[in-house]
Amino acid sequence: QQQVKQSPQSLIVQKGGIPIINCAYENTAFDYFPWYQQFPGKGPALLIAIRPDVSEKKEGRFTISFNKSAKQFSLHIMDSQPGDSATYFCAAGWDTGFQKLVFGTGTRLLVSP
Amino acid sequence: GAVVSQHPSWVICKSGTSVKIECRSLDFQATTMFWYRQFPKQSLMLMATSNEGSKATYEQGVEKDKFLINHASLTLSTLTVTSAHPEDSSFYICSARGPNGQPQHFGDGTRLSIL
Repeated sequence: QQQVKQSPQSLIVQKGGIPIINCAYENTAFDYFPWYQQFPGKGPALLIAIRPDVSEKKEGRFTISFNKSAKQFSLHIMDSQPGDSATYFCAAGWDTGFQKLVFGTGTRLLVSP
Repeated sequence: GAVVSQHPSWVICKSGTSVKIECRSLDFQATTMFWYRQFPKQSLMLMATSNEGSKATYEQGVEKDKFLINHASLTLSTLTVTSAHPEDSSFYICSARGPNGQPQHFGDGTRLSIL
């Protein structure tokens, strides 16, 4: 019930492409869904987050789509650049209280020039 | 933006020694701090959650006598790996969260290598 399943494990796109990373959760009590970007040897950095009362959120080139009935959410990166090459983690948790997060398994994205 | 500093970034020590890792929130008061462990090419696994002035809450399977966590102030939490052994080698990452719905902000991690 606490798992967050993330796919694909790795992804290669050309510059300008739109990589899509998908996540699925089981616990319907989750009410906070962030995405993090991690470069090698660094900690994760928050990219964008969504709550279940909206179906889509955009921040710059990053868009989250959220499907509450399917318990799925995805990250789209518009006009991807080589600098976007990193590992992306989705997470799910509770926005109240301590905000404990359960992380997906990660997607290694490579954007080729 | 919110900055979390973690120190040291890399430590190598002999088996049997204890190692302390510091996590500081530089520009906000961290009411809650989290400690994660990450193996190469794997996800982040939550080890424990701590609130300032309270005992840490450990996740199932994490030895609290092995991984001592202290959150003595609103800007500092420490993780001490006691009597470290090679299997404790990993990337340890802290995160901090302020009050009023702020998201978690992560430090840059500490790579611990036990020889």
